[in-house]
Amino acid sequence: QITLKESGPTLVKPTQTLTLTCTFSGFSLSTGGVGVGWVRQPPGKALEWLALIYWDDDNRYSPSLTSRLTITKDTSKSQVVLTMTNVDPVDTGTYYCVHYRLGWIFDYWGQGTLVTVSS
Amino acid sequence: DIQMTQSPSSVSASVGDRVTITCRASQGISTWLAWYQQKTGEAPKLLIYTASSLQSGVPSRFSGSGSGTDFTLTITSLQPEDFATYYCQQSNSFPPTFGQGTKLEIK
Repeated sequence: QITLKESGPTLVKPTQTLTLTCTFSGFSLSTGGVGVGWVRQPPGKALEWLALIYWDDDNRYSPSLTSRLTITKDTSKSQVVLTMTNVDPVDTGTYYCVHYRLGWIFDYWGQGTLVTVSS
Repeated sequence: DIQMTQSPSSVSASVGDRVTITCRASQGISTWLAWYQQKTGEAPKLLIYTASSLQSGVPSRFSGSGSGTDFTLTITSLQPEDFATYYCQQSNSFPPTFGQGTKLEIK
């Protein structure tokens, strides 16, 4: 049974760096073809894919946010960490950790964590 | 980026009705399309992938069709638990992109 859970701050000040952790179980991020990513959703708005890290440490970022994002993994801890620099109020939203399978399919989602960017 | 446009933005229907939601891609994506269901306050849930393949555990009243640029999600015999927002997502090319969502409301 695959589960993912996000953790991190609920409130961040503008210009600060946001760090979110995804802790997962039910699969190994060292298995070929597997990935873990992040998708966010501003309040009342649509979903936006942010980043993905593959089993082989390759990664992909949203072109519009690539300069601000870093995704890393700790396979031994079954964790993936997303950092976003220089946050702005428009970055406010729910951030979801997702399990990726080949073909850009997100078949399992964490419960999400709401992050508010405000001074 | 490939733009995904859903219609309608919202639809009202009754329990037992048949509902169809449309998703259009700004360029051809073959059958690389997924549908997600999101209930209020919950995470999205994968319903359908590669346009018409039903994710394990999803009821058979959900079905998807289409290829190229035009796709549909059909729900037959609506159940109370189906009232939610539905999103399409193209998985053909990087970056993956989502539609703006279709809210299915109770009439």
